[in-house]
Amino acid sequence: QSVLTQPPSASGTPGQRVTFSCSGSSSNIGGNTVNWYQQLPGTAPKLLIYANNQRPSGVPDRFSGSKSGTSASLAISGLQSEDEADYYCAAWDDSLHGVLFGGGTKLTVL
Amino acid sequence: QVQLVESGGGLVKPGGSLRLSCAASGFTFSDHYMSWVRQAPGKGLEWVGYISNTGNTIYYADSVKARFTISRDNAESSLHLQMKSLRAEDTAVYYCARVWRSGWPLDSWGPGTLVTVSS
Repeated sequence: QSVLTQPPSASGTPGQRVTFSCSGSSSNIGGNTVNWYQQLPGTAPKLLIYANNQRPSGVPDRFSGSKSGTSASLAISGLQSEDEADYYCAAWDDSLHGVLFGGGTKLTVL
Repeated sequence: QVQLVESGGGLVKPGGSLRLSCAASGFTFSDHYMSWVRQAPGKGLEWVGYISNTGNTIYYADSVKARFTISRDNAESSLHLQMKSLRAEDTAVYYCARVWRSGWPLDSWGPGTLVTVSS
C-alpha cells in the first residue's frame, strides 16, 4: 500500500485539461520535492516533472506540476492520444529514508 | 547519450538467488547515485534501494532489507543487485535508474529485466 495516494484512474478527451492528485504527509511531500513519471504501455518510466514544477529538457510545456503542503498535482493541457499512460508521483520520505512512489494513475484518452 | 541496460533476470525457484547487473554509459558513472526500482506484473513502481556515488552509503526498502545487496563498480560503470532468499512476491521487472540531482529525480532508466520467482 503506497503512502502517496493517487486516484487509480482518470480520463479526458483530446484537447481537454486533466489533473492528477498526489497526497502524502509531512515526512514526504510536506518536507521534500515531488517528482512525476510517465510510463507508456510496455516501456520504462520517464521523468516528467522534477522539483515540484520543473520540466526536464524535451518535456512539452503542456505538462505542469505544483505542490501545496502535503499534496501535489500534475496537469496536462491540450490532451493528446499519446498521453495515454500511467502517471506516478514520487518523493523522498524522511522517516523511511527512501523514495516513495504513489500507486499511479492510469490515464485514458477517450 | 545516457544509456542503462540491465541484465541477469530469469526464472528462479523460491529461496534461490540471482544477481542483476546494470551497464551504464554516456555519463560519468562515478558522479551519480544509482537506484533500483521494481514493478510487479500489473502493479505500480516500488523503490528497492539506492547506492551513493562512492558506494559508501546504501539504503534498502524494508521489503528487501537483509535479502538484497546493492553494489557498484565505478571502474566498470556497472551497478549490481544481488538477490537471495527470493520469494514469489519478488517477481517483477527490475529497473536501474540514475539519480540526477538533489530531490531524487530518476532521470534515466534502463529497459528493465524480468525476474520470475516460481517453482
